[in-house]
Amino acid sequence: AQKVTQAQTEISVVEKEDVTLDCVYETRDTTYYLFWYKQPPSGELVFLIRRNSFDEQNEISGRYSWNFQKSTSSFNFTITASQVVDSAVYFCALISNFGNEKLTFGTGTRLTIIP
Amino acid sequence: GAVVSQHPSWVICKSGTSVKIECRSLDFQATTMFWYRQFPKQSLMLMATSNEGSKATYEQGVEKDKFLINHASLTLSTLTVTSAHPEDSSFYICSAPTGTGAVAEAFFGQGTRLTVV
Repeated sequence: AQKVTQAQTEISVVEKEDVTLDCVYETRDTTYYLFWYKQPPSGELVFLIRRNSFDEQNEISGRYSWNFQKSTSSFNFTITASQVVDSAVYFCALISNFGNEKLTFGTGTRLTIIP
Repeated sequence: GAVVSQHPSWVICKSGTSVKIECRSLDFQATTMFWYRQFPKQSLMLMATSNEGSKATYEQGVEKDKFLINHASLTLSTLTVTSAHPEDSSFYICSAPTGTGAVAEAFFGQGTRLTVV
């Protein structure tokens, strides 16, 4: 069985502040992939990143960065210098059981950036 | 990047009627597509896996006779909500992986907001 936990239901920060969204996962497989998706008010899911279980290097993409720690089964997402356009619901997701493309989603974190 | 198109983006129907939602992969072939349902302020729940050329695989608790899935080609899967009722009102979203296995990147359609009145 696999599970993704996003303990933060809602977060509000003032524009230009940094914010970190937490994601903790559970899986018994040694090979798995972790994802982050953004869901703006329009509803579509926007792919942000995929990370495999063998690559613990942190990644930075512009104002976005991700911290993958296998020791704590966490894959946290940080937005630096937040902007109003970052307001959305963010989902962390997991695929394990290699060969099965089913995504297990966390419950999502609603991020509101206050101008 | 790969694009998945979903149509319609919203629909309002009367109770008892059927509604068909289409999911197309525009620039790649998808032997598998996934259908999710999302209630307001909740996460996405997988409903079923659509397989080209064979029957769909439904998740536990999902009525296969109510949510008919047809994967007619390598680029098209349809979800038909039969005899819709107000409790079927929800946001339905499809996804298509661009490859096989966990290495595949899953792209999502824009979603369909269904309101049954």
